[in-house]
Amino acid sequence: NAGVTQTPKFQVLKTGQSMTLQCAQDMNHNSMYWYRQDPGMGLRLIYYSASEGTTDKGEVPNGYNVSRLNKREFSLRLESAAPSQTSVYFCASGDKYEQYFGPGTRLTVT
Amino acid sequence: GEDVEQSLFLSVREGDSSVINCTYTDSSSTYLYWYKQEPGAGLQLLTYIFSNMDMKQDQRLTVLLNKKDKHLSLRIADTQTGDSAIYFCAEIHPSGNTPLVFGKGTRLSVIA
Repeated sequence: NAGVTQTPKFQVLKTGQSMTLQCAQDMNHNSMYWYRQDPGMGLRLIYYSASEGTTDKGEVPNGYNVSRLNKREFSLRLESAAPSQTSVYFCASGDKYEQYFGPGTRLTVT
Repeated sequence: GEDVEQSLFLSVREGDSSVINCTYTDSSSTYLYWYKQEPGAGLQLLTYIFSNMDMKQDQRLTVLLNKKDKHLSLRIADTQTGDSAIYFCAEIHPSGNTPLVFGKGTRLSVIA
């Protein structure tokens, strides 16, 4: 039982490049979330998926797209990376009143 | 709207008690949470309290909830250097299955 896994752990991109951050959970949770963490800003919600087949915008969705591929997997895509997207990205999953986090992806855009 | 506030820094001596405070605005919040983030790691769910409780104790951790003042605190007894981390307070909408609303986190430094 791995919980929430994220790949890659680290990534460096040049401005304008695209990439997809992968997230998977093995806890059979309905809801999945993507957050970004920046110094002094806490965690900010990018997108979430309350159930398979649905996605909703969070507080900071601009520049990102998501796909809820199936119940286990929820990916985050940066189509054209910008330096402002340098951050640590966390995926989480949960049911009702519990949420569990992955280890994070540290992304640097130069 | 929902908002969660925490002080940003706290420094304590090893062996002392630490008290981390949090205020929230959504009086309908059902659960309130404390997460711990160690350097370079993800967020670990430490404990949570249901809104109809005043206190919850789990080993060295005591959570106090004052619903009237919308104030939540986390007390860590006999603080150790391994407790050095960022602690996040969070609340959730009563319907559940919604994103948590986090405070900005309190960085706890434990001095040996």
